Amino acid sequence: DAGITQSPRHKVTETGTPVTLRCHQTENHRYMYWYRQDPGHGLRLIHYSYGVKDTDKGEVSDGYSVSRSKTEDFLLTLESATSSQTSVYFCAISDRQTTDTQYFGPGTRLTVL
Amino acid sequence: GESVGLHLPTLSVQEGDNSIINCAYSNSASDYFIWYKQESGKGPQFIIDIRSNMDKRQGQRVTVLLNKTVKHLSLQIAATQPGDSAVYFCAETLTGRRALTFGSGTRLQVQP
Repeated sequence: DAGITQSPRHKVTETGTPVTLRCHQTENHRYMYWYRQDPGHGLRLIHYSYGVKDTDKGEVSDGYSVSRSKTEDFLLTLESATSSQTSVYFCAISDRQTTDTQYFGPGTRLTVL
Repeated sequence: GESVGLHLPTLSVQEGDNSIINCAYSNSASDYFIWYKQESGKGPQFIIDIRSNMDKRQGQRVTVLLNKTVKHLSLQIAATQPGDSAVYFCAETLTGRRALTFGSGTRLQVQP
């Protein structure tokens, strides 16, 4: 998984609770991304980061926030989880200096009851 | 654990046969394309990529063909093996754009 870890790998939480997912990379890549994967929708971009403290929204950003205080870590926060946020979340990285290829982490399965 | 949709198009092939997985991409301006393989419970894994200035690119046992006229991408897998069973996604982007746009995926089942 190209030096990418995600934690936790599985989480069950209740509606209304805050949740933070962590992505950690050891590749020193500048760009990091959060996607969600749902049946019938494929992979959709939530937020991305193009450097420390530099982030921007993707196509499904409502209800999510992100932070990147270090090159290696990209956090995804659900301030108040809803059942519609039950999904599998993937982090990806790319350097974009030599290629636009994105490499994905192993994913976090989140269930909101 | 199941990571992808339950109603994906499925391609079933015999072990040893060649497989061809197709993808219609959406943006005629896209200039970079990637094929990913996703096994159950895992993240998408890079297989091969191609830029729009090429029509064909070969890797180990895999070939990607690009037809820009009809916005079509295909992945050919030679001598398909049971370990090739997975969901395959194509993705497209425009150089300089931040995000990849993914296709809905095709499930490949290899029969022994």
